[in-house]
Amino acid sequence: DIRMTQSPSSLSASVGDRVTITCRASQTISNFLNWYQQKPGKAPKLLIYRASTLQSGVPSRFSGSGSGTDFALTISSLQPEDFATYYCQQSHSTPLIFGGGTKVEI
Amino acid sequence: QGQLVQSGDEVKKPGASVKVSCKASGYTFTNYGINWVRQAPGQGLAWMGWISARDGNTKYAQNLQGRVTMTTDTSTTTAYMELKTLTSDDTAVYYCARLKSDAFDVWGQGTLVTVSS
Repeated sequence: DIRMTQSPSSLSASVGDRVTITCRASQTISNFLNWYQQKPGKAPKLLIYRASTLQSGVPSRFSGSGSGTDFALTISSLQPEDFATYYCQQSHSTPLIFGGGTKVEI
Repeated sequence: QGQLVQSGDEVKKPGASVKVSCKASGYTFTNYGINWVRQAPGQGLAWMGWISARDGNTKYAQNLQGRVTMTTDTSTTTAYMELKTLTSDDTAVYYCARLKSDAFDVWGQGTLVTVSS
């Protein structure tokens, strides 16, 4: 199985900060990497698919990059509504493993 | 755009089974697969498996093989996930999610399954 390692597991940031979360796959997955945002008590929400494609309706301050084994999610200017937990997920092959999550806190 | 609406929360005793439904609307049901994901309290997301809504093909997570069954009913555009021989480790929120462009773009609201004696 492909393992997904996300870092950091948590971070503290302020409104307006630039935030980057990284995700590393244990083997190459081309660009089959997705990012989700989850707020407490809610279902996850798709932000980025295929490493860098912004899901419809997602603000442009979110961006994704990378290919192969190393990927990143960047929030260019953190907004109050962005405080949440973020997960990466590989969709190259089953099982469709998620990373451990990154909690973004104030 | 599409919507997935799941059945209500459940409380089960150890050893029992649970069947969660996921009603799809707003899109052509048979054009997309449905995945099931669970999240134990305070934990991350765990993929459980996938079913093709077109032909019923399935793939399950290895740790659930033999205990999980995913099905669909195209007449009612509903997907189902049944989990048998429940233990306390199965206490979690269970989500269904549509697979589109290799990502989960539409999610159900979640169903809390509590396993307790």
